[in-house]
Amino acid sequence: GDSVTQMEGPVTLSEEAFLTINCTYTATGYPSLFWYVQYPGEGLQLLLKATKADDKGSNKGFEATYRKETTSFHLEKGSVQVSDSAVYFCALISGSGNTGKLIFGQGTTLQVKP
Amino acid sequence: DTEVTQTPKHLVMGMTNKKSLKCEQHMGHRAMYWYKQKAKKPPELMFVYSYEKLSINESVPSRFSPECPNSSLLNLHLHALQPEDSALYLCASSQPTRGRQNIQYFGAGTRLSVL
Repeated sequence: GDSVTQMEGPVTLSEEAFLTINCTYTATGYPSLFWYVQYPGEGLQLLLKATKADDKGSNKGFEATYRKETTSFHLEKGSVQVSDSAVYFCALISGSGNTGKLIFGQGTTLQVKP
Repeated sequence: DTEVTQTPKHLVMGMTNKKSLKCEQHMGHRAMYWYKQKAKKPPELMFVYSYEKLSINESVPSRFSPECPNSSLLNLHLHALQPEDSALYLCASSQPTRGRQNIQYFGAGTRLSVL
């Protein structure tokens, strides 16, 4: 079945450091890929998305590129802030139905220290 | 506006109580979802409604009973829960677009504690 694998956390960085969170997937066909972020005590927020190969999703300084050849969708940010501390989930939707099922990775906790 | 509103934010209930969680969206979405999230884990899908009809039930115990009274509202009725049902319950909605364009928007969740 379809699956998403994320790098294990927690990831601890100093403010202004470069961030990479690795995400790889296994899916039949051509899934849509997403990064969701969950701040402490809150629900999930869509951070960015990509729906086809070579698409680059970007938002709030975060970027991720849909790499079909390596089945990856790594999340990057050039300079993290303390306010970026959260749990990040990579996810995919596959299939042709009207209500695609979101398949999540295990989540990666990011802690940014001042 | 991509807001999904869930009430209450917190709920404490005993194992013999009956309670309901409520979810509301005004984005015109016609698909709505219930997820359960345990601490430090990703959300797990429970139910999906499409055009007010239940389309997916992920083998959820009958003590959880979903209801979709109209296209904007989704309820989750709770009865005779167990302590292991304590979790964050998340609601999401999307436009049921055929194919891979389905983007789900989540509410802030209801944090449920079963005593």
